[in-house]
Amino acid sequence: QSALTQPRSVSGSPGQSITISCTGTRSDVGNYNYVSWYQQHPGKVPKLMIYDVTKRPSGVPDRFSGSKSGNTASLTISGLQAEDEADYYCCSYAGSYILVFGGGTKLTVL
Amino acid sequence: EVQLVQSGAEVKKPGESLKISCEGSGYSFTNYWIGWVRQMPGKGLEWMGIIYPDDSYTAYGPSFQGQVTMSADKSISTAYLQWSSLEASDSAMYYCARCFGDCHAFDIWGQGTRVTVSS
Repeated sequence: QSALTQPRSVSGSPGQSITISCTGTRSDVGNYNYVSWYQQHPGKVPKLMIYDVTKRPSGVPDRFSGSKSGNTASLTISGLQAEDEADYYCCSYAGSYILVFGGGTKLTVL
Repeated sequence: EVQLVQSGAEVKKPGESLKISCEGSGYSFTNYWIGWVRQMPGKGLEWMGIIYPDDSYTAYGPSFQGQVTMSADKSISTAYLQWSSLEASDSAMYYCARCFGDCHAFDIWGQGTRVTVSS
C-alpha cells in the first residue's frame, strides 16, 4: 500500500484560503468515502479535523472543509489564521481494515 | 473524559524486546478499535495497524506485518504494541489512537511513546 500523495508545502496569507490535495488510487481514495484529515503542530499530537471526506468533528471551526473528486481528496482552509500553521495529513481507507496516510503537507501562514 | 494514556519513553539496545502500552478510559474500551501510528523523527505519520479489543482481531499494515505484534487486555482496557528484536530503525514516536465507527478515522489520540534504539 503506497502512501497517498500530498504537496510537501503550501502557504497563504492571513485571511486567504488554501487547499491541500491528497491523491490516491481507485483502491483507496477513489473507492471509499472514508478520507480523514489531521492537523499536527510541532511536537504535538495529531488532531482529527475532517472525517468521511466532508464531516467535521465537534469543535473544529467551519473554516475547515473537505471534498473529493475521483482519486483526489482536498482540504480547504478559509480565512487562514496564524494558528493554522501546522502539518496536515490525509488518510484513506483502503479496504480490508487497512488505512493509509499521505506524506504530509506543511502549511505556512505568511 | 475520554482519553488514551501511553506508557513512558523507552531507550533500548538493538536486539532487545519491548512492549509499550495504551490505556483507555472514559469510554467502553471494547467497543472501539485501537490503532497504532508510527512517526519517525522529522517524518510523517505511518499507519501500523489496528486491533479490536473485544476479540483481539488485528489488521497490520504491509510494512509492519511480522515486524510488530499488537495485543490487548480488555480486562484492564489496555492495548499493547511489542517488538521481539528491536532495530535502530525502530526509533520513533508511536501513537495509539481510538478508531471510531467502522474504523475509518482516529478521533482520540494518546500522547505518544518515544522509543529510542541505540547501541
